[in-house]
Amino acid sequence: GNSVTQMEGPVTLSEEAFLTINCTYTATGYPSLFWYVQYPGEGLQLLLKATKADDKGSNKGFEATYRKETTSFHLEKGSVQVSDSAVYFCALTRSNDYKLSFGAGTTVTVRA
Amino acid sequence: DAGITQSPRYKITETGRQVTLMCHQTWSHSYMFWYRQDLGHGLRLIYYSAAADITDKGEVPDGYVVSRSKTENFPLTLESATRSQTSVYFCASSESGGGDKVGVFGPGTRLTVL
Repeated sequence: GNSVTQMEGPVTLSEEAFLTINCTYTATGYPSLFWYVQYPGEGLQLLLKATKADDKGSNKGFEATYRKETTSFHLEKGSVQVSDSAVYFCALTRSNDYKLSFGAGTTVTVRA
Repeated sequence: DAGITQSPRYKITETGRQVTLMCHQTWSHSYMFWYRQDLGHGLRLIYYSAAADITDKGEVPDGYVVSRSKTENFPLTLESATRSQTSVYFCASSESGGGDKVGVFGPGTRLTVL
């Protein structure tokens, strides 16, 4: 079956630090990959996505590249802000499916 | 306003009681989903629906019942609540199938079962 593994948190950073959250997946076929963000007290929002190998998703300074050879989709941001404090979820769907499989989530706290 | 709403936002109930969580979307999306969020597990799919009157089980359906008589509504019922059902519940909708058609999530309902 499909599964997503994320690095465990919590992660605590200072402002302007570099952020990486590792995500690896197991799936048959060619899944689409997503990063969702959940700000405190809110629902999930799509942050970025990639639908085929070597695609790079980007949004709000975050980037992730779909690496089929390593089955990975690591999230990166070069200079984080306090407003980036949130829980980040990696997720996938298979190409012929619409149900999302989520990782456990990584809590990120950015201190001023 | 267009969007996806959930009610109530917070609910406290007792073991054995029936509880219904409501979800309403204004986009006329065909697909709707219920997830539960638990620490260490991320989000897990409870039930989903591809259209009105069509529902199917997800990863963790035991103890839950759903219905979808109208496209815009997808209520989730806990017929006899248990402490293990204490969780945050998210409803989501999606315009169509396909791996790149992304769901839109509601704000969540925090349910506590005493």
